[in-house]
Amino acid sequence: DTGVSQDPRHKITKRGQNVTFRCDPISEHNRLYWYRQTLGQGPEFLTYFQNEAQLEKSRLLSDRFSAERPKGSFSTLEIQRTEQGDSAMYLCASSILGAPNEKLFFGSGTQLSVL
Amino acid sequence: AQKITQTQPGMFVQEKEAVTLDCTYDTSDPSYGLFWYKQPSSGEMIFLIYQGSYDQQNATEGRYSLNFQKARKSANLVISASQLGDSAMYFCAMREGGTNAGKSTFGDGTTLTVKP
Repeated sequence: DTGVSQDPRHKITKRGQNVTFRCDPISEHNRLYWYRQTLGQGPEFLTYFQNEAQLEKSRLLSDRFSAERPKGSFSTLEIQRTEQGDSAMYLCASSILGAPNEKLFFGSGTQLSVL
Repeated sequence: AQKITQTQPGMFVQEKEAVTLDCTYDTSDPSYGLFWYKQPSSGEMIFLIYQGSYDQQNATEGRYSLNFQKARKSANLVISASQLGDSAMYFCAMREGGTNAGKSTFGDGTTLTVKP
């Protein structure tokens, strides 16, 4: 069990650039979640996948955000035309559908700074 | 309306004493799960304890227990015998729905500081 892995740990970009983050869940986990967290706040749900299917996407998520999980394993989150308001920690979590409490296992996150 | 409310932005406790972190929730779904997670300064969120809406007994996990009062819609976390390593941010979360329920909704957290 190697845990949930996120890459990169930190990303600094200029406003208007596109960025892509990667998440590798725990290998047998079929559910994968993306959350965004700003300082002093709790994680805010963005989207989640069950295997390769994207089952829910937050209504708060603009169309500049897109996520994929092409083979039901790793996932990518892309932000196009970044804005300063996108600066946050982006957290990935995974779980096993149907597990007794289906707790989330989190990665260490990707800290995005948009200048 | 906020689904998860944590009214204590910060709490202090003396080492070896017990502390209660408050959480209230709002849902009309009869089936839901309540979670507490710990986030140390290093950033990685760690699961602590779970309570299902149909569970008759309060959940316990080592030094952690959950004071579940369903009628009041509260799910307070009790940490007994606090240790310096308990200093962290603590989040209450809820997942609504049954077995196939999806996302978890988080509160804004409580920062706990354990004093030596």
